[in-house]
Amino acid sequence: QMKLQESGPGLVKPSETLSLTCTVSGGSISTYYYSWIRQSPGKGLEWIAYVFYTGTTKYNPSLEGRVTVSVDTARNQISLRVKSVTAADTAVYYCARGLYDDRPFDYWGQGTLVAVSS
Amino acid sequence: DIQMTQSPSSLAASVGDRVTITCQASQDISHHLNWFQQKPGKAPRLLVFGASNLETGVPSRFSGSGSGTHFTFTISSLQPEDFATYFCQQYDNLFTFGPGTRVDVK
Repeated sequence: QMKLQESGPGLVKPSETLSLTCTVSGGSISTYYYSWIRQSPGKGLEWIAYVFYTGTTKYNPSLEGRVTVSVDTARNQISLRVKSVTAADTAVYYCARGLYDDRPFDYWGQGTLVAVSS
Repeated sequence: DIQMTQSPSSLAASVGDRVTITCQASQDISHHLNWFQQKPGKAPRLLVFGASNLETGVPSRFSGSGSGTHFTFTISSLQPEDFATYFCQQYDNLFTFGPGTRVDVK
């Protein structure tokens, strides 16, 4: 049974960079592609970006330029970086896997809360 | 970008009730619509994909229908474990989620 586990700092200062890691266990990372999704009371669920095991990426246009996602197949990890954060980036961040059919988010990690505050 | 709306935003129901939630897309998304359930403090769980296909392991009391811009999600007989928030999500052009429908105890 594949498991996705998000990790990273729970508190980031305004204008700094938010960095999170999603560790994939219990399965081959190359079988799926992976998205980062965040959820905040103000904006609901928002897709951030996805990455294939090949390194191919796609970003939400509303965040493109501030966000970078990458994959490390040797470590079975997917990474997210959001630069120049503000309070609006405070959210629970989820890693989710996608199948190459009608299920872009068929299984999610438990999520990690990131607060942006000085 | 494609906007998703849901109605109602919340509802109160009793165990055994039939519950129906609607989701509207701002443009034609064919059948590219999924439904999720989320309980407090938990990640969303995929229930229905491709507008009407039940994910493996999901009870048959859940169902989805629709195409184009109008979609419906139904729980035929509400069970105690079904009190939660339900989201629709389109994948026709990138990905966007509806604002959610909270199902509470009447």
